[in-house]
Amino acid sequence: AQSVTQPDIHITVSEGASLELRCNYSYGATPYLFWYVQSPGQGLQLLLKYFSGDTLVQGIKGFEAEFKRSQSSFNLRKPSVHWSDAAEYFCAVTGTASKLTFGTGTRLQVTL
Amino acid sequence: GAGVSQSPSNKVTEKGKDVELRCDPISGHTALYWYRQSLGQGLEFLIYFQGNSAPDKSGLPSDRFSAERTGGSVSTLTIQRTQQEDSAVYLCASSSDRATGNEQFFGPGTRLTVL
Repeated sequence: AQSVTQPDIHITVSEGASLELRCNYSYGATPYLFWYVQSPGQGLQLLLKYFSGDTLVQGIKGFEAEFKRSQSSFNLRKPSVHWSDAAEYFCAVTGTASKLTFGTGTRLQVTL
Repeated sequence: GAGVSQSPSNKVTEKGKDVELRCDPISGHTALYWYRQSLGQGLEFLIYFQGNSAPDKSGLPSDRFSAERTGGSVSTLTIQRTQQEDSAVYLCASSSDRATGNEQFFGPGTRLTVL
């Protein structure tokens, strides 16, 4: 069965500092991997996705993620965090045309 | 273009009542998904429709939950005899079979509160 682990429930960073959110997955075949962001009271917005090709993927809002098959990881990074990045971040995995399995989320707090 | 829309945005009901939640997917999207987001359980898959195929109901938590998709477009999630543990945000998503990597687009959700 597929699963996703986000080991950090809550992270606090200072504005301008770099960010890395961890995601480890379990999936029997080549996975499709996603990062979504959810602001309070809002739906889920896709930040970026990986399904094949270059293992370093670029997303919206200056985010990037690197797929490492050997480590079963898909960590999300941003070189300089802005106060507006405060939100909850979800990593998710799926196969082709199928349900998403989400991690438990990481809540990001940004201090000024 | 228009995204996924859901109605109502908020629903408060009494325990034991039936509720219907509606989802309008992005036009032309063949796949439609329902998920539930609750404090204790996180984001959980409920049901998946793909074209004219039989839906994948493997995530429905009990037989009080059902969903249908009429004409390959609008979907309704019905919860019968609601219980307090049904309180959650119900999210709908859709995707195109032409999309690479099964990118799902989410609606804003319906917040259900069962008193």
